[in-house]
Formats: sequence, structure tokens, C-alpha cells
Amino acid sequence: GAGVSQSPRYKVAKRGQDVALRCDPISGHVSLFWYQQALGQGPEFLTYFQNEAQLDKSGLPSDRFFAERPEGSVSTLKIQRTQQEDSAVYLCASSGRDSIYEQYFGPGTRLTVT
Amino acid sequence: GNSVTQMEGPVTLSEEAFLTINCTYTATGYPSLFWYVQYPGEGLQLLLKATKADDKGSNKGFEATYRKETTSFHLEKGSVQVSDSAVYFCALRRAQGGSEKLVFGKGTKLTVNP
Repeated sequence: GAGVSQSPRYKVAKRGQDVALRCDPISGHVSLFWYQQALGQGPEFLTYFQNEAQLDKSGLPSDRFFAERPEGSVSTLKIQRTQQEDSAVYLCASSGRDSIYEQYFGPGTRLTVT
Repeated sequence: GNSVTQMEGPVTLSEEAFLTINCTYTATGYPSLFWYVQYPGEGLQLLLKATKADDKGSNKGFEATYRKETTSFHLEKGSVQVSDSAVYFCALRRAQGGSEKLVFGKGTKLTVNP
């Protein structure tokens, strides 16, 4: 079956622009995660949804970052007024009730803020 | 808080050499432990996992044993292949009842030469 997909794969934004990153989880997966991976670093947690409920947003670095999953499927991570330090790969992962220990990752969106 | 420390790379080996990548963790309770792998140009994939002390996770010739007494989860492979060249990430998930988020180490880049 289809895996986790993310779009766009690459995004270049000028400082101050708003961006929206999309994640399509594996069909039927109730849990969805966003991570940020800076160059040469491991992924760092941003936020977590169970269905449409955002249960943990403790990793969002500032109030410029906002995530939603209104129908419990597709999720969007929005970054307002982008800054250079936002440049990173943004990873989405999903997991289902029958595989609670495994998160399946998408290919990521590489964001470059110039 | 929860954290993962893994040996810094890069690691360069010849084909058929023995591989060890060290990983230690700090966490309350009994976390689940994971090794993820990121092949060039691909997304993160789960390599193996262990959910309780003394469990051994294994996959594709790789092994790691959950050692509570030393808070370690070292990755080993007896004979590496060129196709094992990738970045390896150690990760933990808090004990059941906590957030499902993964906490990653910084990653170790492995290059295997023919």
C-alpha cells in the first residue's frame, strides 16, 4: 500500500513569507507526528495528533508554527513569517493501532529560507 | 528529561568488518528503544526495536540488546556490506502512558567501502 507522502518535497521561501507543508498519512493511521530535522542532526519532535485532536504540541518552537488535522487524516504544518533558522527538513510520520511501536516516516519536505 | 546519546561519526569500514554503534539513553521508567536507518535519498525506516529490558531486536543481520543496567542499546552487525552505508539513528519512546513521541540521537553516518 501507499506510504506516508509529503508535499512539496522542496520549498524555498523568502524570509518573512508564510509556508504550508502537507502530510498524507497511511490510510487508517490514527496517530500523526511532525518532526524537524536540521542538517546533520536527528529529528526533533514538533507535535502529535491522535485523529483530529492535537494531544502534544510541546515541540513547536514558537507561535509562528501551527499544525492542524481537521478531519483526522491529512495534516498541514504552517509556518508564518519564516526565519532563516526555520530551514530544515520537516518529517511527517504516522502509526496505527496495530503497530503502536512503529512510526512510518514520509520522505520529508526540505525547507530553505533565504 | 529524556535523551539519547550515540557515538559520533562518521564511521568508515571495509566490507565484512564488524560494526558497533554505541547508544546510551536517559529516561524515566522503562522506555521502548529503536534503531532507525536513513539510506541516501530515502526516508527514515525502522530497523529494529526492543520494548523491555534484556529484549534483543534484530533485522537484516543487525542486532541490539536493551540493557537497563547500563542504559544502553548498542547496534551491532557481524559483517557489513556496502549496501549498509546509511545514517543510523537511535531513538526512545517514553514508557506507556506518556507521549508517543520519539526522542532521537544525532545520528551516525556509516560508510562501507568495497
